[in-house]
Amino acid sequence: DAGITQSPRHKVTETGTPVTLRCHQTENHRYMYWYRQDPGHGLRLIHYSYGVKDTDKGEVSDGYSVSRSKTEDFLLTLESATSSQTSVYFCAISASMGAYEQYFGPGTRLTVT
Amino acid sequence: GENVGLHLPTLSVQEGDNSIINCAYSNSASDYFIWYKQESGKGPQFIIDIRSNMDKRQGQRVTVLLNKTVKHLSLQIAATQPGDSAVYFCAETGGSQGNLIFGKGTKLSVKP
Repeated sequence: DAGITQSPRHKVTETGTPVTLRCHQTENHRYMYWYRQDPGHGLRLIHYSYGVKDTDKGEVSDGYSVSRSKTEDFLLTLESATSSQTSVYFCAISASMGAYEQYFGPGTRLTVT
Repeated sequence: GENVGLHLPTLSVQEGDNSIINCAYSNSASDYFIWYKQESGKGPQFIIDIRSNMDKRQGQRVTVLLNKTVKHLSLQIAATQPGDSAVYFCAETGGSQGNLIFGKGTKLSVKP
């Protein structure tokens, strides 16, 4: 998985609780991304980062926030989890935006009950 | 994840045969395309990419063909093996921020 780890790998939480997912890379890539994957949908971009403290929204950013205080770490936070946020979350990295391959982590399966 | 293969079109092939997986992309301005493989319970794995100034690109046992006229991308896998069983999806640089847009995928099932 190209030097990308995600933690936790599985989590079950209750509606209304905050949840933070972590992505860690050892490739020193500038760009990092958070996606969610649901049946019937392709991977959908939640947020991305183009450098330390530089982040932007993706197509499904409502209910999510991110932070990047170090090149190697990108955090995704669900401030108040809802059942619609039950999904598999993937982190990805790339050397640049757009026309460059992205490499994905192993994913985090989140269940909100 | 484990459920990524549900409700997807499925291609079933015999071991040793060639496989062709198709993808229709949406944005005629997209200039870069990627094919990914995703096995059950794992993250997507990069297979091969192609830029819009090319029609064909070959890798090890895989070939990607790009037809810009009809906005069509295909992945050919030669001598398909059981280990090739997975969901395959394409991605294009069609996003409003220059980001990748991912297709829903095709599930490839290889019969031994």
